[in-house]
Amino acid sequence: DQQVKQNSPSLSVQEGRISILNCDYTNSMFDYFLWYKKYPAEGPTFLISISSIKDKNEDGRFTVFLNKSAKHLSLHIVPSQPGDSAVYFCAATAGGGTSYGKLTFGQGTILTVHP
Amino acid sequence: DTGVSQDPRHKITKRGQNVTFRCDPISEHNRLYWYRQTLGQGPEFLTYFQNEAQLEKSRLLSDRFSAERPKGSFSTLEIQRTEQGDSAMYLCASSLGTRQFFGPGTRLTVL
Repeated sequence: DQQVKQNSPSLSVQEGRISILNCDYTNSMFDYFLWYKKYPAEGPTFLISISSIKDKNEDGRFTVFLNKSAKHLSLHIVPSQPGDSAVYFCAATAGGGTSYGKLTFGQGTILTVHP
Repeated sequence: DTGVSQDPRHKITKRGQNVTFRCDPISEHNRLYWYRQTLGQGPEFLTYFQNEAQLEKSRLLSDRFSAERPKGSFSTLEIQRTEQGDSAMYLCASSLGTRQFFGPGTRLTVL
């Protein structure tokens, strides 16, 4: 039961252009969403997050959009840089109680930014 | 370096052997998580501690797996009678809130 899905295994973009990574979820209890970036031989690194009470959160070149009715979120990177090349994971969590903070991850999308 | 550390980084073992991994979280973090990641997949939740109390265990965590956090600081994950299907990256994370900070992981290979 894949509750968080990233349907694009890979994405290739030109340096300076926009990268859009997508994520869908099925569990209505999820109320907080995070994006992580992972380089080979390293653990995931937090990028940006969004609460379900918002529909947009921006941090520098990174913006996350949340569409609760569609159970869909996306990460926009503008402008894309070669150093952004990595695997990007979408994650979700349901707040409250003892489940607080347990993350459910998507399968990941490999982003390649070409110079 | 005050990040999450894991030891060892790599472990190769033969099927049937026991292995133990260690995780040292960021010192002020009260929550500690273990995840497992296999090739082409995202990390999957295994178990979670708040201080020394183990609050949740995934169905993925069979009876061969045990985790401890005896003093609410470092944690160990032990796998008994390893199987080839246990080959994966084992990730530890710690947090104070919703943002979890991950260690570099321990890559386990079971021959």
